[in-house]
Amino acid sequence: GQNIDQPTEMTATEGAIVQINCTYQTSGFNGLFWYQQHAGEAPTFLSYNVLDGLEEKGRFSSFLSRSKGYSYLLLKELQMKDSASYLCAAMDSNYQLIWGAGTKLIIKP
Amino acid sequence: GAVVSQHPSWVICKSGTSVKIECRSLDFQATTMFWYRQFPKQSLMLMATSNEGSKATYEQGVEKDKFLINHASLTLSTLTVTSAHPEDSSFYICSALTQGNYPDEQYFGPGTRLTVT
Repeated sequence: GQNIDQPTEMTATEGAIVQINCTYQTSGFNGLFWYQQHAGEAPTFLSYNVLDGLEEKGRFSSFLSRSKGYSYLLLKELQMKDSASYLCAAMDSNYQLIWGAGTKLIIKP
Repeated sequence: GAVVSQHPSWVICKSGTSVKIECRSLDFQATTMFWYRQFPKQSLMLMATSNEGSKATYEQGVEKDKFLINHASLTLSTLTVTSAHPEDSSFYICSALTQGNYPDEQYFGPGTRLTVT
């Protein structure tokens, strides 16, 4: 079956670095997405990986290993506004997104 | 960038009535749109895949006669919740798939919060 696993909740300190891991199993693979979702709002796109390696975009970076079915989202210089849920989603061969349950990130001052 | 709108953004209705939610891609054509629902503190749950000009494909456990989906044009898909019940109260989100660009990506509407009393 298709499955996405990511931690339920993480806590980090303002200014620090946090890594949110995600493992996936899908029927076919058309890329791995990370979304940020604040409470009561729709998800917003953060990153996309389809090839192995690290994609850097400002304070956020995303890594993919297709052979391991593994990705992580790295957030640097954490700000209070980064407190949100981070959703990992893998796109299968039918272009459907298979969603993880989301990781709630709590930033403490 | 691609923009997807939803209308209404929130709606309160009485039990037994029907509610229609519209999803529009404003600056691109979307042959495929997706409808999700999300309960508090849970992830998105795919309800159905909507393809322009054809019947929607529903996920297992989603009642197609209760959640009517119509994808009449390349920029509009509608979800109608028929005979709504309080347990249908949820956050409904649509997304539109862009293809032909890198990456093939889903752009999300802002969501519609439905409360059934």
